[in-house]
Amino acid sequence: NAGVTQTPKFQVLKTGQSMTLQCAQDMNHEYMSWYRQDPGMGLRLIHYSVGAGITDQGEVPNGYNVSRSTTEDFPLRLLSAAPSQTSVYFCASRQTGVGNSPLHFGNGTRLTVT
Amino acid sequence: AQSVTQPDIHITVSEGASLELRCNYSYGATPYLFWYVQSPGQGLQLLLKYFSGDTLVQGIKGFEAEFKRSQSSFNLRKPSVHWSDAAEYFCAVGLMDSSYKLIFGSGTRLLVRP
Repeated sequence: NAGVTQTPKFQVLKTGQSMTLQCAQDMNHEYMSWYRQDPGMGLRLIHYSVGAGITDQGEVPNGYNVSRSTTEDFPLRLLSAAPSQTSVYFCASRQTGVGNSPLHFGNGTRLTVT
Repeated sequence: AQSVTQPDIHITVSEGASLELRCNYSYGATPYLFWYVQSPGQGLQLLLKYFSGDTLVQGIKGFEAEFKRSQSSFNLRKPSVHWSDAAEYFCAVGLMDSSYKLIFGSGTRLLVRP
């Protein structure tokens, strides 16, 4: 059972470049989300989705776009990378309809913007 | 606004000693509560969760947590720490609305002395 799969594991970008971080889950979870993790700041929610065709902003959405065309996939797009977006990015999914269902995390993408 | 506070950035304990990691939350109702652990270079793994019922919950790896409504706390404990417990620990609050969001604390890094 693959769970939540993120690609790539590592990425280096130059300022102004664009890229897409991929996330896929095979658990039929309606809810998917993206977090960024920075030292001393824990995990901060970027964007989330409660189902295909539905997305919403988290606490740090600026500079990031998302779409949700299928239940399985939830890509995160950086249109013009900035050094402030250097971080570790985690995708996570959970079951909806059950309030205490836990989040299942991918193994992360470490992004460096120079 | 909802928030989660983990007041200890770092904690160092000797192997075999007991451990308590603190977590306080701010929320208008009793939320869903979670503890996660993150080993270096890995994603987050669920240790335990609480919503209702017995206020002392048992988790994996010998961890337990106690919910105290009067103190808005959900502290994590372990009677005897092993060197393999060295990791970062995150407390999270699950919102009781249709967003299904989880809000994370800033984490506590546990160091274990041999």
